[in-house]
Amino acid sequence: QVQLVQSGAEVKKTGASVKVSCKASGYSFRDYGIHWVRQAPGQGLEWLGWINAGNGNTQYSQRLQTRIIITRDTAATSAYMQLSGLRSEDTAMYYCVARDIGNYDGMDVWGQGTTVTVSS
Amino acid sequence: SSDLTQPPSVSVSPGQTAAITCSGDALPNQFTYWYQKKAGQAPTLVMSKDSERPSGIPERFSGSSSGTTVTLTIRGVQAEDEADYFCQTADSSGSWVFGGGTKMTVL
Repeated sequence: QVQLVQSGAEVKKTGASVKVSCKASGYSFRDYGIHWVRQAPGQGLEWLGWINAGNGNTQYSQRLQTRIIITRDTAATSAYMQLSGLRSEDTAMYYCVARDIGNYDGMDVWGQGTTVTVSS
Repeated sequence: SSDLTQPPSVSVSPGQTAAITCSGDALPNQFTYWYQKKAGQAPTLVMSKDSERPSGIPERFSGSSSGTTVTLTIRGVQAEDEADYFCQTADSSGSWVFGGGTKMTVL
């Protein structure tokens, strides 16, 4: 079945970097995009960015574009989200989402989430 | 503006109808999607392209749009529908925007 499995929880110091992985299975990885979304405690959903798994093109949230890098490895059918210069406000649950490129056409699969905790 | 505005909360009694709105200037030109988010779970897509119900979503969920406002309607609300609901759109570059979310309480 279509599945996204994310890497485990991370605890980081302020100013450090974190890299979260997202392993896809059960579908043609290169035919879809991978988005990254986070939810801080008590807050709403925030979109971070996405990568076209086929051509590798990326788009990032304006708010985070200086600190975030999203990559993919087609051989490993995996996507990665790296966030640098971590701050306490980056403490959140991070999700990867497999979605159709363009308008929705039946693919909307979420990973289980990865908790990232940032403390001094 | 790409901002999406939702009411912070709605309350509804079991069996009644809940309507959650999402407003934004860009909505006439973009499809809107709705996610249901329960504590400890990943979000679930409950409505796509304004009014298309994804496979597996109960028929009591419906969507509509009018001008700069889209509405998610839940008829015959059940206790299990208590959750946070988020609207979401995407621009031509594929960048997403989420509304602030609406906490729906089933009384």
